[in-house]
Amino acid sequence: DAKTTQPTSMDCAEGRAANLPCNHSTISGNEYVYWYRQIHSQGPQYIIHGLKNNETNEMASLIITEDRKSSTLILPHATLRDTAVYYCIVRAHETSGSRLTFGEGTQLTVNP
Amino acid sequence: GAGVSQTPSNKVTEKGKYVELRCDPISGHTALYWYRQSLGQGPEFLIYFQGTGAADDSGLPNDRFFAVRPEGSVSTLKIQRTERGDSAVYLCASSPPAYNEQFFGPGTRLTVL
Repeated sequence: DAKTTQPTSMDCAEGRAANLPCNHSTISGNEYVYWYRQIHSQGPQYIIHGLKNNETNEMASLIITEDRKSSTLILPHATLRDTAVYYCIVRAHETSGSRLTFGEGTQLTVNP
Repeated sequence: GAGVSQTPSNKVTEKGKYVELRCDPISGHTALYWYRQSLGQGPEFLIYFQGTGAADDSGLPNDRFFAVRPEGSVSTLKIQRTERGDSAVYLCASSPPAYNEQFFGPGTRLTVL
């Protein structure tokens, strides 16, 4: 799986959009970008994934650059409960059965 | 519905002892994964089951670690002759067939004294 690079930490004001960047310059054509988050003392939680088109769901939006070498996870209206470590993961798309390779992620702190 | 459950939530043991950690996946999920997470690090893959068989055990650090899933549901991670370096949170995740999202349990915090 391709390696990803994320900032160690970010801060965001409550109610504002949180934009979390991720670099994955060695991504292969068949690899997807996944985002998970981990709230303190809990297991990781799936957020969203995409291949090359922008994706949106009830939790977040994922913007992938045209060359697919980087992406941004957007939380449109951050709340205090969004404080967590956010992991950007590149993974070959299989129906199931491939491991998730986590880096160290970005610690997002949402401030009141 | 019920999520992935893991027992015990905390386990304290002494160096050299044997421990078993249990994972109950979501009903109907055929894929099951074990990860471990050291303080300040992201989770690290250990082993993956598809049904009853271990499809990928390349993440197990050494032969003291072993996992089983005899009936394709509950899984047990077994650690022999525990060492202080085994202290970590052990996470279990499961996935349904033909689906990419992994659903994680809350983890078991293992402390080896």
